[in-house]
Amino acid sequence: GENVEQHPSTLSVQEGDSAVIKCTYSDSASNYFPWYKQELGKGPQLIIDIRSNVGEKKDQRIAVTLNKTAKHFSLHITETQPEDSAVYFCAASTSQAGTALIFGKGTTLSVSS
Amino acid sequence: DAGITQSPRHKVTETGTPVTLRCHQTENHRYMYWYRQDPGHGLRLIHYSYGVKDTDKGEVSDGYSVSRSKTEDFLLTLESATSSQTSVYFCAISDDPIQGAFFGQGTRLTVV
Repeated sequence: GENVEQHPSTLSVQEGDSAVIKCTYSDSASNYFPWYKQELGKGPQLIIDIRSNVGEKKDQRIAVTLNKTAKHFSLHITETQPEDSAVYFCAASTSQAGTALIFGKGTTLSVSS
Repeated sequence: DAGITQSPRHKVTETGTPVTLRCHQTENHRYMYWYRQDPGHGLRLIHYSYGVKDTDKGEVSDGYSVSRSKTEDFLLTLESATSSQTSVYFCAISDDPIQGAFFGQGTRLTVV
């Protein structure tokens, strides 16, 4: 089955710096890669996603890149702000019927002002 | 939260007792999932459903069962709760596995 590895487990940056979180996956059939942000006491919230036919996607200060050959994808946050502090999860899924998202173990991002 | 309600939000139960957690959605989404979240382990899939009465096991299904008799409800049952099942449980829904899943607010379960 699918396995998703996420690094680093913790990341501390200064406000205004960039943050990068990386994930690798094992199942070559995976074709959908979402990223979630989880704030304390809340459920994870989808912030951006990418499909296998796209190499990069941007949404304001957030971007995701995908390298299918290497089976890895990354989340890039530019101009970080204190409100970006949260736990971030990557995930992978296939389009097969009866499937589900498999998540990485999460990255705790701390942005200090 | 995309029309997802988890109940109860908090529960304390004793070892050996049965426990049922409920996930209710108003989005008419086909797929529903149960995950547990533990420090150092992230989100791990327990069971999921891809239609009424269609369910399958996830990576940590031992000790759990599920049922889905209606599109809107997905129940997670711990037949005989153990301390290792102390966790935060999240329900999620999606209309398609290649679209993002939307999560509920979670249920914090403590087994003493």
